[in-house]
Amino acid sequence: DVKVTQSSRYLVKRTGEKVFLECVQDMDHENMFWYRQDPGLGLRLIYFSYDVKMKEKGDIPEGYSVSREKKERFSLILESASTNQTSMYLCASSLQGGRNTEAFFGQGTRLTVV
Amino acid sequence: AQSVTQPDIHITVSEGASLELRCNYSYGATPYLFWYVQSPGQGLQLLLKYFSGDTLVQGIKGFEAEFKRSQSSFNLRKPSVHWSDAAEYFCAVGGTGRRALTFGSGTRLQVQP
Repeated sequence: DVKVTQSSRYLVKRTGEKVFLECVQDMDHENMFWYRQDPGLGLRLIYFSYDVKMKEKGDIPEGYSVSREKKERFSLILESASTNQTSMYLCASSLQGGRNTEAFFGQGTRLTVV
Repeated sequence: AQSVTQPDIHITVSEGASLELRCNYSYGATPYLFWYVQSPGQGLQLLLKYFSGDTLVQGIKGFEAEFKRSQSSFNLRKPSVHWSDAAEYFCAVGGTGRRALTFGSGTRLQVQP
């Protein structure tokens, strides 16, 4: 089974801190994604990566950056955390595009910025 | 641009009753369609997916969904709901040339005893 592991289930950070959310997948998937989940808004794509060091902006990239130095690891960075970034963050991976776009998800990181 | 609409934010059904969750999509080419389920505090688990062929697809946990191109819909159904089905359900669309899925806003299912 594909396993996507997010390093933290819960995080509490202060406004202005630099925050790193880490995600690792173990199935040699090409694509990795960061989504943000908020009540009533569903999942919104922040960034995705289709190869090492390659990234593309999603629908809501403002205030975030990402890093993919190794194929299995994808990090989401909040350069200066703000209270409106309090949310559930979900990492996912998929094999490729087209018919291989089935996404496999991690357990999520619930981030609270105070 | 692609989009997914789930018109029902919250649905309550009695245990043993049938269930239908609605999903409408907008996509310029042949869509690939997915239903995911999320239990409280958990990530998303795939229930079923449609790429082509038979428009009625079967998934895990007794769920099925029907693709209707003329209505741009992909509704999820289950003939008899169990208390353990209480969760949030997300419809998603992807397609050729797209790597990322677009998700709907979700439907929260509550099951009454």
